[in-house]
Amino acid sequence: RKEVEQDPGPFNVPEGATVAFNCTYSNSASQSFFWYRQDCRKEPKLLMSVYSSGNEDGRFTAQLNRASQYISLLIRDSKLSDSATYLCVAANSGGYQKVTFGTGTKLQVIP
Amino acid sequence: DAGVTQSPTHLIKTRGQHVTLRCSPISGHKSVSWYQQVLGQGPQFIFQYYEKEERGRGNFPDRFSARQFPNYSSELNVNALLLGDSALYLCASSLVPDNQPQHFGDGTRLSIL
Repeated sequence: RKEVEQDPGPFNVPEGATVAFNCTYSNSASQSFFWYRQDCRKEPKLLMSVYSSGNEDGRFTAQLNRASQYISLLIRDSKLSDSATYLCVAANSGGYQKVTFGTGTKLQVIP
Repeated sequence: DAGVTQSPTHLIKTRGQHVTLRCSPISGHKSVSWYQQVLGQGPQFIFQYYEKEERGRGNFPDRFSARQFPNYSSELNVNALLLGDSALYLCASSLVPDNQPQHFGDGTRLSIL
C-alpha cells in the first residue's frame, strides 16, 4: 500500500463545475499536509497548506481529517486554467524528515 | 527575488557514469530537499538537508548522496548510473524543515542512454 494514495483520474469536468479530490495517508506520524499543482513538464507549485480546521483560498478549500487520515481539496467554479495534476503531500515534523507525495490526480476542465 | 535555481537543466549520461546536480535555494531558506520524479508519478523524496546536516532520507540506494554547503546551496550526486535513474530531479527549499511548504526549482532532466 502506498503511503499517500490519490485517485489518478483523469477527472474531466465542464467549466464552472465543482470538483473534489481526496487523498489518504497511512503514516500516523505525518503532521504537515499540502496540496501542490503541477502543469505538464513543469515543477510542482504550492497551492495551499492544509490545516485541521480547514482552510479556504478563493475557489479552493482544503480539509484535513486526522482520525480518518485523509485530506481533501475542493475546487469551485472550475476554470480552464485549473487543468493540471494535483499532488497531495504528507510530511512528518521534527527529528528525521520524511516527505511523501501522492502520485497526483489529473484534472481536465473542458469548455 | 530569485526562486530556487537548478543546474544543469538537461543532462545526458551513459550507464555507469556519475552525475552531480546543483541547487541554489531561495535567499534566506536554509533547508533543501531533493526529489526524483519519473513520468506519471509524484516526486519521490531522496534527501533533505538543513544547516549542512542530513535531516531526512528516502528509500534510495547508496549510489545517491548529497551535501549542503555553508551558503545553503546543495549538490546531489549519483554514481554508477542506471537506465532507471532517468527522471526529472527536483530541488525544493524552505525556511526550515518543519511544517513549511517547499518551493521547487524547474528541475534537471536526466537521461541515461
